[in-house]
Amino acid sequence: RKEVEQDPGPFNVPEGATVAFNCTYSNSASQSFFWYRQDCRKEPKLLMSVYSSGNEDGRFTAQLNRASQYISLLIRDSKLSDSATYLCVVNSRDNFNKFYFGSGTKLNVKP
Amino acid sequence: DTEVTQTPKHLVMGMTNKKSLKCEQHMGHRAMYWYKQKAKKPPELMFVYSYEKLSINESVPSRFSPECPNSSLLNLHLHALQPEDSALYLCASSRIQGGSNQPQHFGDGTRLSIL
Repeated sequence: RKEVEQDPGPFNVPEGATVAFNCTYSNSASQSFFWYRQDCRKEPKLLMSVYSSGNEDGRFTAQLNRASQYISLLIRDSKLSDSATYLCVVNSRDNFNKFYFGSGTKLNVKP
Repeated sequence: DTEVTQTPKHLVMGMTNKKSLKCEQHMGHRAMYWYKQKAKKPPELMFVYSYEKLSINESVPSRFSPECPNSSLLNLHLHALQPEDSALYLCASSRIQGGSNQPQHFGDGTRLSIL
């Protein structure tokens, strides 16, 4: 079983739509959670860390559910510029030097 | 602008060449990483240095040799690579704080092509 699993998509949505991605993790010792965005042929860029109480940054909301071992990312009012691959990344306290990546979810926002 | 600087941006080399990839950060991060990324796949961990010591080697072939000369620099020495080693090589760094890792910051990568 993979450490981190994501729906690869693609998610094709119109501009202005709300879209949600989920990511599940298998290690209950996981302690740090992140969403990264990666554009084609570019490096991953940190979008946001995910905190236990959930957190919001503009149009982006991240949630953590420890009981069910998943994290989510909600994007409201999608823009064309949101088109990218979104990577879920998890770090655990039993091997804090290692970050586990999901396979990424591709988002295409259409005009 | 990325705070992790990688050079060169592009590299084409033959299978018998020796070359090095370089990575530099001045954020005071004490964990540094090398990843390999193929198209449409997530980054695949190769090596981790923690406080300038190699802490993780993900069974990487010996034709890849990492080096961490000091807390700001990370090198990846390449020798006798194979065509399947063509990929984007990403360097990342993160702050170690209280036994956990803060998020990684990535350089913009070296696109490597093996002829």
